[in-house]
Amino acid sequence: QQQVKQSPQSLIVQKGGISIINCAYENTAFDYFPWYQQFPGKGPALLIAIRPDVSEKKEGRFTISFNKSAKQFSLHIMDSQPGDSATYFCAASGTSGSRLTFGEGTQLTVNP
Amino acid sequence: EAGVTQSPTHLIKTRGQQATLRCSPISGHTSVYWYQQALGLGLQFLLWYDEGEERNRGNFPPRFSGRQFPNYSSELNVNALELEDSALYLCASSLEDSRRTIYFGEGSWLTVV
Repeated sequence: QQQVKQSPQSLIVQKGGISIINCAYENTAFDYFPWYQQFPGKGPALLIAIRPDVSEKKEGRFTISFNKSAKQFSLHIMDSQPGDSATYFCAASGTSGSRLTFGEGTQLTVNP
Repeated sequence: EAGVTQSPTHLIKTRGQQATLRCSPISGHTSVYWYQQALGLGLQFLLWYDEGEERNRGNFPPRFSGRQFPNYSSELNVNALELEDSALYLCASSLEDSRRTIYFGEGSWLTVV
């Protein structure tokens, strides 16, 4: 019940296209859903986060869509750029503590 | 402002030995978290320390242990190293009042041969 399922495992997109990464969770106690971006050789960096009281949050080219009833959330990267090529992790945590549960990661490649 | 710093960057140990990894949190952050990132296995939660106390522990054997010092820095110890302990060990920190937002360091690569 603590798992967060992420798909796809890898994604190849052309420059200017839309990248979409999906995550699903089971634990209804989760109430915080961040996305992290990790470049090779670096630690993950917080990209954007959402709480379940909103259905969408946008920051620049990055948008999180949240569907509470389906227990799913997704990351959309608009106008994808080669510099966006990285591994993306979704995560979730609940009010019982600060333990973030991460998805398996998606390796995004944006071709020029 | 300095981010989370970890040392060493790389560490090579022999099976059965002990490894010690160190982490300095962002100034003002009191919580420190340790995660293991093995190839193909994503980020696995190891330990959470806050105000010097262990607050939560992931599904890892007792040979993974750590501590947090009065200056909030932290140390992760791995005893009786096994080949499958080879991974990137990531430390993260957060403010007490914003524990959901954690900031990662760049990690320590541990290779067990």
